[in-house]
Amino acid sequence: AQSVTQLGSHVSVSEGALVLLRCNYSSSVPPYLFWYVQYPNQGLQLLLKYTTGATLVKGINGFEAEFKKSETSFHLTKPSAHMSDAAEYFCAVSDRFSGGYNKLIFGAGTRLAVHP
Amino acid sequence: GAVVSQHPSRVICKSGTSVKIECRSLDFQATTMFWYRQFPKKSLMLMATSNEGSKATYEQGVEKDKFLINHASLTLSTLTVTSAHPEDSSFYICSAQTSGSYNEQFFGPGTRLTVL
Repeated sequence: AQSVTQLGSHVSVSEGALVLLRCNYSSSVPPYLFWYVQYPNQGLQLLLKYTTGATLVKGINGFEAEFKKSETSFHLTKPSAHMSDAAEYFCAVSDRFSGGYNKLIFGAGTRLAVHP
Repeated sequence: GAVVSQHPSRVICKSGTSVKIECRSLDFQATTMFWYRQFPKKSLMLMATSNEGSKATYEQGVEKDKFLINHASLTLSTLTVTSAHPEDSSFYICSAQTSGSYNEQFFGPGTRLTVL
């Protein structure tokens, strides 16, 4: 069974500092991996995804993530935090070989706070 | 592209009444739609998966007679919360997936249900 672990339910950084949100996954087959962002009372917006090819994936708003198979990780980073980055971030995994539709398994989420 | 809408965005109802939430894919045909429930400060819990023209597949522990899902067309799925009680108050989010999209799901903005 697939699972996702996000280390740290709350992360606080200063504006301009590096953002690092951790995600580890468990999957019996090579997965598809996703990061989503959720602002208060809104749905989820896709930041980036890894499906195949280059393991360093660049997304929107300056975020990027690196798929490390040996570490079963897909950590999200951004070199310089902005106040507008404050939100809830979810890592998710999906099984690539099931065909048809595939369910997303979400981590518990990490709330990012950015202070001046 | 890939816009998903939900209606209503917010609904307040009395205990014992039924509430219908619509999920529409505005610019694509969704072979599969998903319904999630999100408790305050928690992750998304998948409730059910629906494919156009067939019965929904419910996750373990989700009452199918209470949460009725209909996916009548490739652009519309509805979730009806029957005989709602205060414990059904939650944020309900739908997502839509097309075939061949690396399992990417496009999320609606969510519906805040409050049962008095």
